Amino acid sequence: AQSVTQLDSHVSVSEGTPVLLRCNYSSSYSPSLFWYVQHPNKGLQLLLKYTSAATLVKGINGFEAEFKKSETSFHLTKPSAHMSDAAEYFCVVSDLENNNDMRFGAGTRLTVKP
Amino acid sequence: DADVTQTPRNRITKTGKRIMLECSQTKGHDRMYWYRQDPGLGLRLIYYSFDVKDINKGEISDGYSVSRQAQAKFSLSLESAIPNQTALYFCATSLGLNQPQHFGDGTRLSIL
Repeated sequence: AQSVTQLDSHVSVSEGTPVLLRCNYSSSYSPSLFWYVQHPNKGLQLLLKYTSAATLVKGINGFEAEFKKSETSFHLTKPSAHMSDAAEYFCVVSDLENNNDMRFGAGTRLTVKP
Repeated sequence: DADVTQTPRNRITKTGKRIMLECSQTKGHDRMYWYRQDPGLGLRLIYYSFDVKDINKGEISDGYSVSRQAQAKFSLSLESAIPNQTALYFCATSLGLNQPQHFGDGTRLSIL
């Protein structure tokens, strides 16, 4: 069955330094992959998605992610963290095996220090 | 106005009570979903609906039921609430297969 593993439950960076949030996936089919962000007391907002087009996907707010089939990874990066990036981030996989149900990772909480 | 609206935003109730959470959307999407979020577990799918006549169980449907009253409305019910149903509940909509989902702001439910 499809699944995702977010390798870090908590990541802490200083403002202005790079962000790396790691995600590995498992899928028997060609997956669609997504990153969502959740700010406190809010629903999830789509950052970016991969659906078998370009392997490097650019999203909102300067985030991007690279699909690496050989490593079954879809890590989220940003060159320079901003205080407003502090939030919870979810990696999500979807494929035909489960009628395109989305399977969510457990989440990574990003803290940005001044 | 929000595209996906959940009511209530917060609810505290007692074990054994019947609870209904409501979701309405103005996006015109056919697909609607109910999830629960627990710390360290991400979001888990409870039920989903691809149109008014199509209701499907998700990963954790036991103890829950749903009603799709119209394309724009999808309600989640807990017939007899129990404390381990305390969680943050989200409604979402999508346009179709492999399309991003659009989430409401959630309902925080506490069952004492």
